[in-house]
Amino acid sequence: QVQLQESGPGLVKPSETLSLICSVSGGSTSRYYWSWIRQPPGKRLEWIGYIYYDGSTNYNPSLKRRVTISVDTSKNQFSLKLSSVTAADTAVYYCARVDPTSSLFFDYWGQGTLVTVSS
Amino acid sequence: QSVLTQPPSVSGAPGQTVTISCTGSSSNIGAGYDVHWYQQLPGTAPKLLIFDNRNRPSGVPDRFSGSKSATSASLAITGLRAEDEADYYCQSYDSSLYVFGSGTKVTVL
Repeated sequence: QVQLQESGPGLVKPSETLSLICSVSGGSTSRYYWSWIRQPPGKRLEWIGYIYYDGSTNYNPSLKRRVTISVDTSKNQFSLKLSSVTAADTAVYYCARVDPTSSLFFDYWGQGTLVTVSS
Repeated sequence: QSVLTQPPSVSGAPGQTVTISCTGSSSNIGAGYDVHWYQQLPGTAPKLLIFDNRNRPSGVPDRFSGSKSATSASLAITGLRAEDEADYYCQSYDSSLYVFGSGTKVTVL
């Protein structure tokens, strides 16, 4: 059973960089696509981007200028960096695995971590 | 950014059937991309409920069923139970982008 766990600061100041790590167990980051998704309070889910084990990435165009996703296969982790954050980036951030067959949906999710942007 | 539209809320008594619609467009559902559904219980992460329009992952009761036609899709919950009270989201693909629906809150009366 694949399990994912997000970790990182729960409070980030405006204009700074949000950094989160997703630790994967029961599966290898040396395979598959791994993704970040967020959910602002009371709003819909928003896909942020994904990374493949070889380091190739695809980002949501609305966030592309500020997002970096990387993978560390030796630690079985992947990470998210979102720069120049504002209050609009306050959300629960989830990491998830992209389904390995069609690559068109998310079959395993982390529990999520709330990140608040505030001074 | 493309939008998948869902009704904000639906409700039903225990044992009844409720249906949630997900309306897309010619660039996502209408382009042939499959629809997937997630259940989000209060305070928890989304859980895959239906994939590829109508398939259930192992462990999902057959009370949950999905369908797709043209530019829309539907999720039906038959024999509604108290534990089905949750938010439900549809999801598809559009122009190299994963897109989610606006979400529907199911209330069991």
